[in-house]
Amino acid sequence: EVQLVESGGGLVQPGRSLKLSCAASGFTFSNYYMAWVRQAPKKGLEWVATISTSGSRTYYPDSVKGRFTISRDNAKSSLYLQMNSLKSEDTATYYCARHRGYGSWYFDFWGPGTMVTVSS
Amino acid sequence: DVQMTQSPYNLAASPGESVSINCKASKSISKYLAWYQQKPGKANKLLIYDGSTLQSGIPSRFSGSGSGTDFTLTIRSLEPEDFGLYYCQQHNEYPYTFGAGTKLELK
Repeated sequence: EVQLVESGGGLVQPGRSLKLSCAASGFTFSNYYMAWVRQAPKKGLEWVATISTSGSRTYYPDSVKGRFTISRDNAKSSLYLQMNSLKSEDTATYYCARHRGYGSWYFDFWGPGTMVTVSS
Repeated sequence: DVQMTQSPYNLAASPGESVSINCKASKSISKYLAWYQQKPGKANKLLIYDGSTLQSGIPSRFSGSGSGTDFTLTIRSLEPEDFGLYYCQQHNEYPYTFGAGTKLELK
């Protein structure tokens, strides 16, 4: 059974940093592109970052480019999101998600999410 | 960026009824649209991708149609577990954008 479990969320002050983790199991992690998708309170979903199978390629929307860094450790079946220079608008539930297959930019499995609150 | 507009925002229906949720893209996205279901306490679920391809394990009462800019998710014979939020997402071009969601509620 595919499982994705995020951790690392919490309350952080504006301008500070936070690192999220996602532990994956139930599939060959190294074979899949992985992503982070977020959802601000009472709002819709927003794709935040994607990383290739080897980690050599990363993709971000302009809203987080230069501030967020996605990475992975295939030996540990783990995905990470380093978030720097956090803003109040980064407050959201962050989901770890698996791309369905190579070249597919949609997500077939999601974690339950971890909440990040950016506030002073 | 491609803007995705869903309608209606809210939808009330009864078990056994059929409903349709619409998603309109601000420019052509060919067939590249996905639909997701979101329910409290459960992981988001991929229902449809490539506009009309049913994800493995999803009941056949769910169907997707459309291409270009206009897409529809249809749920036939609603079951109690179908009530929740539904989102569309274009997977044609960067950045990959979602609609604002449609809340399907029990009438």
